Amino acid sequence: SAVISQKPSRDICQRGTSLTIQCQVDSQVTMMFWYRQQPGQSLTLIATANQGSEATYESGFVIDKFPISRPNLTFSTLTVSNMSPEDSSIYLCSLGTGGSNEQFFGPGTRLTVL
Amino acid sequence: LAKTTQPISMDSYEGQEVNITCSHNNIATNDYITWYQQFPSQGPRFIIQGYKTKVTNEVASLFIPADRKSSTLSLPRVSLSDTAVYYCLVGEGNFNKFYFGSGTKLNVKP
Repeated sequence: SAVISQKPSRDICQRGTSLTIQCQVDSQVTMMFWYRQQPGQSLTLIATANQGSEATYESGFVIDKFPISRPNLTFSTLTVSNMSPEDSSIYLCSLGTGGSNEQFFGPGTRLTVL
Repeated sequence: LAKTTQPISMDSYEGQEVNITCSHNNIATNDYITWYQQFPSQGPRFIIQGYKTKVTNEVASLFIPADRKSSTLSLPRVSLSDTAVYYCLVGEGNFNKFYFGSGTKLNVKP
């Protein structure tokens, strides 16, 4: 299975600021995803990060708030913009293997907004 | 979009077999059934996937009846380290419309 790393692992930020989370994979993958997991809750898909094109966002998530980059097949970033305490959550990236629903998840980034 | 319904929590004891059932009444013809396990402070981990009948791997079995409106994840002889949240998902292969439900929190006691 692929090795996925995320940076930072955790951060504490002030409201109104932005944070960019990096996701690095040790092999080339076609499909990468970004999720949010609020404390004690399930995972919510934010968007699919498409290489070479704009990300595809799920209902309730917009590009201005969560801009995503996917410059190549091993790397993606998610920015949480103009943060508020409601953005406090764990943000996870994942990659998909073609032809099945098996995803590999990164360790997550724990974000606290004060 | 197929929704899933699972028990919120379950308790078990070490050495017992645990069966977690997931309901997905409006599953589509092209949908697969996939289960994930998540430990605290970690990302989910794929356990097993199936389309119909029974699938078994080294960690679990997945039972799917003919109508596919439900599925049961079976964990043989659980240990304390199996304490985790288990998610049932349905969706087409290749991640087309693939969403996590609320999950079942399994608590294994000594």
